[in-house]
Amino acid sequence: KAGVTQTPRYLIKTRGQQVTLSCSPISGHRSVSWYQQTPGQGLQFLFEYFSETQRNKGNFPGRFSGRQFSNSRSEMNVSTLELGDSALYLCASSLEQTYNEQFFGPGTRLTVL
Amino acid sequence: AQSVTQLGSHVSVSEGALVLLRCNYSSSVPPYLFWYVQYPNQGLQLLLKYTTGATLVKGINGFEAEFKKSETSFHLTKPSAHMSDAAEYFCAVSERGLTGGGNKLTFGTGTQLKVEL
Repeated sequence: KAGVTQTPRYLIKTRGQQVTLSCSPISGHRSVSWYQQTPGQGLQFLFEYFSETQRNKGNFPGRFSGRQFSNSRSEMNVSTLELGDSALYLCASSLEQTYNEQFFGPGTRLTVL
Repeated sequence: AQSVTQLGSHVSVSEGALVLLRCNYSSSVPPYLFWYVQYPNQGLQLLLKYTTGATLVKGINGFEAEFKKSETSFHLTKPSAHMSDAAEYFCAVSERGLTGGGNKLTFGTGTQLKVEL
């Protein structure tokens, strides 16, 4: 079974721009979660989508948004980029239940200049 | 709100020595507990998890962890370290009873494990 894939792997943007990151979950997984990883704040939960609906949300500003498509693929968007948005963005997919393992993708490294 | 504390941001052991990485959690209800490992430029890989049942959990690569409710701990151990174990390790909790169910992991700050010859 193919793992979680994320595209692109690396991205460089400038302040004020917007960016869209993509995540394809493992086949059969309907839950997709997004996390931000930075040296200063560590790993922080952004949001989770299940069956095209946002099911849980972390404490991030409204500039961070996401969506999920009918095939469970997910995208996250960050508008009006700030320097502090530079991070590794990780996507994880899982089966429905909370205790199920989340399988992580390799991440997208976003650098904001 | 849940929280996870990992004592020691850096741990160094000799090859063949015991590995002990500490994790304490704070939660109003017993959470689901996980240990993940991250190698450079890669995502996270699950080592083991505790949901219910036996409190001593065995994972991949010879790692195990014991859930101790009275101590709110979930420390990770491996009897004999190998050079390939050098990586960053994260303890995480998943909240039970979220409205609508779902997944939301709260991570500790991570422990960088160094294995020396």
